[in-house]
Amino acid sequence: QQQVKQSPQSLIVQKGGISIINCAYENTAFDYFPWYQQFPGKGPALLIAIRPDVSEKKEGRFTISFNKSAKQFSLHIMDSQPGDSATYFCAVWAGNDYKLSFGAGTTVTVRA
Amino acid sequence: DAMVIQNPRYQVTQFGKPVTLSCSQTLNHNVMYWYQQKSSQAPKLLFHYYDKDFNNEADTPDNFQSRRPNTSFCFLDIRSPGLGDAAMYLCATKGAGGSNEQFFGPGTRLTVL
Repeated sequence: QQQVKQSPQSLIVQKGGISIINCAYENTAFDYFPWYQQFPGKGPALLIAIRPDVSEKKEGRFTISFNKSAKQFSLHIMDSQPGDSATYFCAVWAGNDYKLSFGAGTTVTVRA
Repeated sequence: DAMVIQNPRYQVTQFGKPVTLSCSQTLNHNVMYWYQQKSSQAPKLLFHYYDKDFNNEADTPDNFQSRRPNTSFCFLDIRSPGLGDAAMYLCATKGAGGSNEQFFGPGTRLTVL
């Protein structure tokens, strides 16, 4: 059973535009919500993460918005660049079992 | 630089011929994970170690085994690879402290002929 649902499956954005990826979860025990970025032929790398006690976290052009009551969180990529073209995975973590559960992934293509 | 290293990066094996993939880490992390990732899919957790404690996912086939002889090394053994086992295999680590970040290796691409 998938612990987190991610959408869209893919998106295309023009250089300078905003990319938005959404994730939704059910289990309120999750207490850590990371986003991983993966380039073709590489392992995933942590991009940005948030805990449920804050509603937003920003690192450079990347922002996580977190809505605890709706059990949703999203990744916003501002001023998208061709180098941001990658697959993005949201994930959820419950601290007691040391396991991440990944969303299905979103392939982002930034056109120059 | 501290890192997670996987060898080989590309592995070709024949149907039914056992294969071993290796992972090493210089991060001195307690937890090590093996994931299987097929094309256009999310990483799927196969098993993980917390120190020497082995934790198998319920849906991991018996064909997949793992060994962790020490903190730094972890191996994935596929006893009788089938065509459906062709995938990227990712090793990851995590420290036991407050950070929940998992550090991934570059992966081993397994081809089964």
